[in-house]
Amino acid sequence: GQQLNQSPQSMFIQEGEDVSMNCTSSSIFNTWLWYKQDPGEGPVLLIALYKAGELTSNGRLTAQFGITRKDSFLNISASIPSDVGIYFCAGQTPWGAGSYQLTFGKGTKLSVIP
Amino acid sequence: NAGVTQTPKFQVLKTGQSMTLQCAQDMNHEYMSWYRQDPGMGLRLIHYSVGAGITDQGEVPNGYNVSRSTTEDFPLRLLSAAPSQTSVYFCASSYSIGNTEAFFGQGTRLTVV
Repeated sequence: GQQLNQSPQSMFIQEGEDVSMNCTSSSIFNTWLWYKQDPGEGPVLLIALYKAGELTSNGRLTAQFGITRKDSFLNISASIPSDVGIYFCAGQTPWGAGSYQLTFGKGTKLSVIP
Repeated sequence: NAGVTQTPKFQVLKTGQSMTLQCAQDMNHEYMSWYRQDPGMGLRLIHYSVGAGITDQGEVPNGYNVSRSTTEDFPLRLLSAAPSQTSVYFCASSYSIGNTEAFFGQGTRLTVV
């Protein structure tokens, strides 16, 4: 199956610092998504990107859909303690007859030091 | 709104036992899916459904069955549990197959001993 390479695997940052993480793939995707997962919870959608080159913000979060359609990045500005969690990228591709599949990266575990 | 509700939250099974993980959504979503999450593996698609009465296999379907008799419910059945099925299972739903804004349940942590 398709694979997404998400990096870094983990990050320790000071509160107030900016954060950057990215995903790359050998295949192209129609849509890129970024999710956050808090401990003991399911993933929550942060940002969805639908067009190559698209740059979208959601508060302190900014994500971009790479122009090659094979990569995406997520930036978090001025990190705060509640940013702690695991961040997943996901790419959407067609699957089966008329459906689609989300392929997930392995996640970036973010720790924020107050 | 309850959103996507999964039960149970935790379960321990013995090898060879069967069980059903429940998933219900109250958003009238057409598309529902099951994922498993293993350490260092991200989430992998097990089965999905594009509407009542229609199901299909995902990336890792072996050892699991699903059915979709109503729009709201999408149970996942483990036929004969194996230690390799120890994982966290997530159910997700979205408005339609073209809608990528999937809502996830809180997960079921399953241990097979």
